[in-house]
Amino acid sequence: NAGVTQTPKFRILKIGQSMTLQCTQDMNHNYMYWYRQDPGMGLKLIYYSVGAGITDKGEVPNGYNVSRSTTEDFPLRLELAAPSQTSVYFCASSPRNYEQYFGPGTRLTVT
Amino acid sequence: QKEVEQNSGPLSVPEGAIASLNCTYSDRGSQSFFWYRQYSGKSPELIMSIYSNGDKEDGRFTAQLNKASQYVSLLIRDSQPSDSATYLCAVNKDSGYALNFGKGTSLLVTP
Repeated sequence: NAGVTQTPKFRILKIGQSMTLQCTQDMNHNYMYWYRQDPGMGLKLIYYSVGAGITDKGEVPNGYNVSRSTTEDFPLRLELAAPSQTSVYFCASSPRNYEQYFGPGTRLTVT
Repeated sequence: QKEVEQNSGPLSVPEGAIASLNCTYSDRGSQSFFWYRQYSGKSPELIMSIYSNGDKEDGRFTAQLNKASQYVSLLIRDSQPSDSATYLCAVNKDSGYALNFGKGTSLLVTP
């Protein structure tokens, strides 16, 4: 099992550009999550999904969108990138008991 | 009041000693508690989960939970330099499927 995979590993965006962060899991987990982690600030939940076709907002959803068309994939879309979105983004998946397993992360810089 | 609180550290212990990491949480309805280890530049890795009051041991790690005091701890016996990392405490939200993460405690094990 590859677990949770994320692409790309690194990306530099210009202000106003858009991009999609990809996340795929092969553990057949129903629950998937997107977090951002800023230095010294801990993990903040952006969006989560409890199954294909079902998504909901977390603490910091503004500027982001998600979709969940399959159990395996949970892409995160950034529209009109802003410097405040410079961060490390982690995708995670979970079976029903809340144990979350994280992907390797995407380091994004917006300049 | 912050939902999950941890001392940021750094906590410095000599090799072979016991490292004690502490976490308090505010949501009395929480039922699931986790410890994650995060090496610098890497993603969080689940190392312990605990769901009922008392102690749970796994190798050199012991998680302790006291729901009445809203307190979770992680003990690392025979600490090794490879244990040097940031340890994140996570607690499930009473409603929904998400976790609240603390900001983490930095542990440094010195040879």
